[in-house]
This record gives sequence, structure tokens and C-alpha cells, in this order.
Amino acid sequence: GAVVSQHPSRVICKSGTSVKIECRSLDFQATTMFWYRQFPKQSLMLMATSNEGSKATYEQGVEKDKFLINHASLTLSTLTVTSAHPEDSSFYICSARDPKGQRLGYSPLHFGNGTRLTVT
Amino acid sequence: AQTVTQSQPEMSVQEAETVTLSCTYDTSESNYYLFWYKQPPSRQMILVIRQEAYKQQNATENRFSVNFQKAAKSFSLKISDSQLGDTAMYFCAFTRNDMRFGAGTRLTVKP
Repeated sequence: GAVVSQHPSRVICKSGTSVKIECRSLDFQATTMFWYRQFPKQSLMLMATSNEGSKATYEQGVEKDKFLINHASLTLSTLTVTSAHPEDSSFYICSARDPKGQRLGYSPLHFGNGTRLTVT
Repeated sequence: AQTVTQSQPEMSVQEAETVTLSCTYDTSESNYYLFWYKQPPSRQMILVIRQEAYKQQNATENRFSVNFQKAAKSFSLKISDSQLGDTAMYFCAFTRNDMRFGAGTRLTVKP
């Protein structure tokens, strides 16, 4: 089945530094990837939609200058948390849809294993 | 904008019994897709079941089935013969292009 690989799984950084999270679709091409943020015991909140070859679409309230998204190829999207602060500490999850052979919306999202970011 | 509501923050069920998790949503779209995902303590998101809005027949996957009521915008998940491994967070999700999740229901299966 479709696999999405996310790296790193866990990262600790100091306040003011930047952290890059990678999301790869391993066996399919993803023109669109989605980035979610999940606080403890809460739901997944959509941060942005990453579009290959074009600018990401950010949800209301998400700072695009803080959360930089690059989708340079059909298999890789990156999320960079710039000038991280303790309030950016969270669980970040990427996902992608393999539309091959299915109606677009009916294809389930395949999720990476998530990245736990801790900013000290 | 679409919203998804799960009104049961926590539920518990005895092993081998049946439990139903509720989900309602709000949309002005006529065609869309609904999903249930499971998130165990590992935090990996696992697809449980999915439903196309234009299909009246309720989806079924082994012990998991849904009760889809389009007019009422309701999409509940029934888990039959509950197993200890079913203990997890369950999220209801709505999608047209992107996917929006409900707040989740924490299900505990007791031995």
C-alpha cells in the first residue's frame, strides 16, 4: 500500500532556531500534500495544503512566514518552522493522497508517522 | 466551511460488545466523502472505513460499519465484537479536497 515517510520522528531545538521536517511519498506521486498540527489529546488541525510546483495554501491563522512549506517534487514536501519558540512545540503530521485508480476525494489520506517537535 | 462534530470525548466498552461512535458534519456540498480514522498511542493514523456521500448503502469493513444518514448529516461508526486492540482515538473526517477532522473520541475497550 501507499507509504508516506516523515522525518525526523522527534526533534528538540533551542528557541530561535529553525527546524525542517521532510515528508516523502515512497511509492506514489503526490501533487498535493497536507500538513497538520496536533496538540496533546486534541484533533488534527490542517495547517496548509502543499502543492507541487506552486505556493502552499495556508489555513486562516497559520503564519506562512513562520511555517515555510516547499513542495519541490512530486514525492517531497518540507515544512520549516522558522525562529521556533516554545509555543511551536507540537506534533506535526504530513499526509498525501494516492489518487491512482480512484476518485480524488475517495482516496484516503496516507499519513506519515509524525514529528514531535520540542522547543526549549 | 465544513465542520465535523464528535460529541463524545470518551467512551468505553467491554471486550466482545458493540459500541457506536457519533459524528455529525455540516456542509453545503452535495458530493463528498467521509472517513473514520483510528489513532492508537503510537499516533499513527490508520484508516478504518470510508463512505461516499452519493452512495446510500452503508459501508462495512469486517467488524466496522457505518450508519450514514445524509439528510441528517450524520455518520456514526459501529464497532462489533470489540477487541482490546480497538482502544484508540477515533476521528471522523470530511473531505472534498482537503480533509477536516472532528475533535475525536477516545475509546477504551475493557477486558
